[in-house]
Amino acid sequence: AQSVTQLDSHVSVSEGTPVLLRCNYSSSYSPSLFWYVQHPNKGLQLLLKYTSAATLVKGINGFEAEFKKSETSFHLTKPSAHMSDAAEYFCVVSDPANDYKLSFGAGTTVTVRA
Amino acid sequence: DGGITQSPKYLFRKEGQNVTLSCEQNLNHDAMYWYRQDPGQGLRLIYYSQIVNDFQKGDIAEGYSVSREKKESFPLTVTSAQKNPTAFYLCASSILQGTLNTEAFFGQGTRLTVV
Repeated sequence: AQSVTQLDSHVSVSEGTPVLLRCNYSSSYSPSLFWYVQHPNKGLQLLLKYTSAATLVKGINGFEAEFKKSETSFHLTKPSAHMSDAAEYFCVVSDPANDYKLSFGAGTTVTVRA
Repeated sequence: DGGITQSPKYLFRKEGQNVTLSCEQNLNHDAMYWYRQDPGQGLRLIYYSQIVNDFQKGDIAEGYSVSREKKESFPLTVTSAQKNPTAFYLCASSILQGTLNTEAFFGQGTRLTVV
């Protein structure tokens, strides 16, 4: 079985400071992992993905994530938050042993203080 | 332009009526998915399909039905049996390559309100 746990339901940062969004997963096989961002009343936009290549993955808008198999983690970071980063973020895992279903974490809401 | 299109963006229906949400993709993707999103609950999987004429129930399939007669289309019907249908519905598609699921592309969503 696969599952995804986003460890923080809400993160608040000041503009210009680092952002860390934590994600742990469980999977019985080598998973594909994704981070998506959703702005209010919009669809989801892919930030980055891990599909068994480099463990440090760079995405759009300055985000990156590191796949750590030993810790079953895929945390998302950005060195300097911008006001436009205020949104909801979802960690997603896809496991071929689970029919390739995309399983979502509960989401982390990011607010950015001026 | 390639993409995934959901229509309509907003939908209002009276209680007890069935309603069908459209999802079309021209990305030639194998897999398609329907999710429901409620405030504070993230996305929950309703149905998914990996090939034409085949689909599987997700975590909250009760009160919903789907079809996959064409690769490009995966409509979702919200039936009168769905006890709390008011929600934001998202459709997605993805490529399946061997043992990897590449990224899913999402539509812009349909907000269904039942009155």
